[in-house]
Amino acid sequence: IAGITQAPTSQILAAGRRMTLRCTQDMRHNAMYWYRQDLGLGLRLIHYSNTAGTTGKGEVPDGYSVSRANTDDFPLTLASAVPSQTSVYFCASSFRTGGRNEQFFGPGTRLTVL
Amino acid sequence: AQSVTQPDIHITVSEGASLELRCNYSYGATPYLFWYVQSPGQGLQLLLKYFSGDTLVQGIKGFEAEFKRSQSSFNLRKPSVHWSDAAEYFCAWGNYGQNFVFGPGTRLSVLP
Repeated sequence: IAGITQAPTSQILAAGRRMTLRCTQDMRHNAMYWYRQDLGLGLRLIHYSNTAGTTGKGEVPDGYSVSRANTDDFPLTLASAVPSQTSVYFCASSFRTGGRNEQFFGPGTRLTVL
Repeated sequence: AQSVTQPDIHITVSEGASLELRCNYSYGATPYLFWYVQSPGQGLQLLLKYFSGDTLVQGIKGFEAEFKRSQSSFNLRKPSVHWSDAAEYFCAWGNYGQNFVFGPGTRLSVLP
């Protein structure tokens, strides 16, 4: 079934530890995105990628890094996790970047940083 | 900066009643507008979208939304709510060359 997969589903992490959230899509979409979802704030864009080999910063990029080595994968790394990074993280993709293009979302990763 | 507001944090309606969820955007240019639904523990699913043309758009699950440029609004409606519609609803704004801006969401509860 075509779509976006994310791993892990949930994770509890000690502060200061490194963590990579995985995201894979099989729709051959050019653009991919990482959002965090916090109560009352909706979804905020962390990083995005217009196409393989390029990345850009979103609204809340600090403390996060991404890479886009190929079309399908877009991992999000927390180099040294802090409690304020406790959130639900969603990966999304679209055919192209830009507001006209519908974004498709993965099921999310619930991350708790203690 | 562009912003999307959803004035109602939480709405409760009875099953079978009509529903309207409000959404306003701040940017004046012709926007692309979307409504997404998020069921508990799930990702977001697109309900409907507006790009241009007819200002009343139909979506999945019996939802519709109306774009009103004069009010900078894109309110979501459903004539008769079902218990399965209980979820979080997000309005989103986009524009050419821009990424999305999401509203904070409205949580819908449905009473039996």
